[in-house]
Amino acid sequence: AQSVTQPDIHITVSEGASLELRCNYSYGATPYLFWYVQSPGQGLQLLLKYFSGDTLVQGIKGFEAEFKRSQSSFNLRKPSVHWSDAAEYFCAVGLLYNQGGKLIFGQGTELSVKP
Amino acid sequence: EAGVVQSPRYKIIEKKQPVAFWCNPISGHNTLYWYRQNLGQGPELLIRYENEEAVDDSQLPKDRFSAERLKGVDSTLKIQPAELGDSAVYLCASSLTGEAFFGQGTRLTVV
Repeated sequence: AQSVTQPDIHITVSEGASLELRCNYSYGATPYLFWYVQSPGQGLQLLLKYFSGDTLVQGIKGFEAEFKRSQSSFNLRKPSVHWSDAAEYFCAVGLLYNQGGKLIFGQGTELSVKP
Repeated sequence: EAGVVQSPRYKIIEKKQPVAFWCNPISGHNTLYWYRQNLGQGPELLIRYENEEAVDDSQLPKDRFSAERLKGVDSTLKIQPAELGDSAVYLCASSLTGEAFFGQGTRLTVV
């Protein structure tokens, strides 16, 4: 069965420090991969996506993610965190259309930023 | 361009009462999703539409939940009767090329 695992429920980093959020997936085919961010009381905003091609993808707000097929991972990174990055981050696998065409989400990682 | 619009933003109802949520997707997006997000969890799919057709409703509790997407644009999700366990955020999303864009959600509290 397809699944997404975000091992870290909560991470705290200092403002200006680098960030890496982990995501591992289980899926039999080449996945479509996404990272979304959710601020309190808000919907999910797409940060970046991987469909094919270059395994290092750039997103909005200075985020990037690297797809590593051998590790079944799609970790999110940012070189310098800002206080406004505090939010919940969700990794998701997008199933192919003939397998349901839906997104399967991880449980999320809550990011806190220390001043 | 307007994003996905949902209403209401918040709803508090007593158990056994009916409730309905409305979603207006991004113009031209033929795929529409309803997800439910429980506290501290990631969203889980309830139903997916391709135009007017519900192509995946396997996770929709059909004894009390219903949905429709008339004319392949707006959609309504209904719960009747609501139970305490239905308290959650209900998210609508739409898609054209595989990436889903989400609305702000409706936070439902059943008391």
